Amino acid sequence: DAMVIQNPRYQVTQFGKPVTLSCSQTLNHNVMYWYQQKSSQAPKLLFHYYDKDFNNEADTPDNFQSRRPNTSFCFLDIRSPGLGDAAMYLCATSRDRVSPAGSDFGAGTRLSVL
Amino acid sequence: GQSLEQPSEVTAVEGAIVQINCTYQTSGFYGLSWYQQHDGGAPTFLSYNALDGLEETGRFSSFLSRSDSYGYLLLQELQMKDSASYFCAVTGSNYQLIWGAGTKLIIKP
Repeated sequence: DAMVIQNPRYQVTQFGKPVTLSCSQTLNHNVMYWYQQKSSQAPKLLFHYYDKDFNNEADTPDNFQSRRPNTSFCFLDIRSPGLGDAAMYLCATSRDRVSPAGSDFGAGTRLSVL
Repeated sequence: GQSLEQPSEVTAVEGAIVQINCTYQTSGFYGLSWYQQHDGGAPTFLSYNALDGLEETGRFSSFLSRSDSYGYLLLQELQMKDSASYFCAVTGSNYQLIWGAGTKLIIKP
C-alpha cells in the first residue's frame, strides 16, 4: 500500500548519459517535491510542483529538469549527469503548498554515476 | 542567512531518554517539524509544532519555544530500532522546508 512510489530504487548511469527518475503517488496530493540528498547531509530541495505550477530553486543546476504530466506522476531528468550528481533522490508530496511539514516521502532512488 | 543547528551525533543507552535540540534562525516561521531517517531509507515524518509547547505521540515528544527559536525532540524508552538520523526542519516564509544537517542517534545496549 505504498503511497509514494519511486522507480527505480537503484540507478546506474554513465557520465554524461541522460537519466530519468520517476515518482508516482496515490494520495492525490497537489504538491510534489524533488530532493537531492548526499551522504550524511540534509535533503536539498531541487524543485516542486504545485499542481502544474513549476517552481525551481534558485541554486538548482540547469542540468536538472522536471516534468509532471498529471497529478499522479512526476519525473526528474538529469540531462548530463556528472560524478557530483551521485546521490539519493527523494520524491515527496504534500496536500497543499502551505503545509510541507507532513510530506510523504518515497523510498528514494539511489543514483550512481560511473 | 537561514540556518538550523542541531548536534551532529548523540549517543544513548537502550531504555533511556534522549533529547535532540534544534535552534533556528530563519526569515519566516510557520512551524518546526521532525523527521526520522534510517540508513538508506527515506525520511519519515514524526511531529510538527506550530505553537509553543509540548506535543506527545507515543514514545516521542516534541517541544517548541518560538521566543527562543528553539525546539527539541524527546525520545523515551529508547529501543535499538530508534538508531537513525533525526532532522529538524522549519517551514519558512515561502512555505518551503529549511532542514537542519541532522543528528545521528547511536543507541548502545
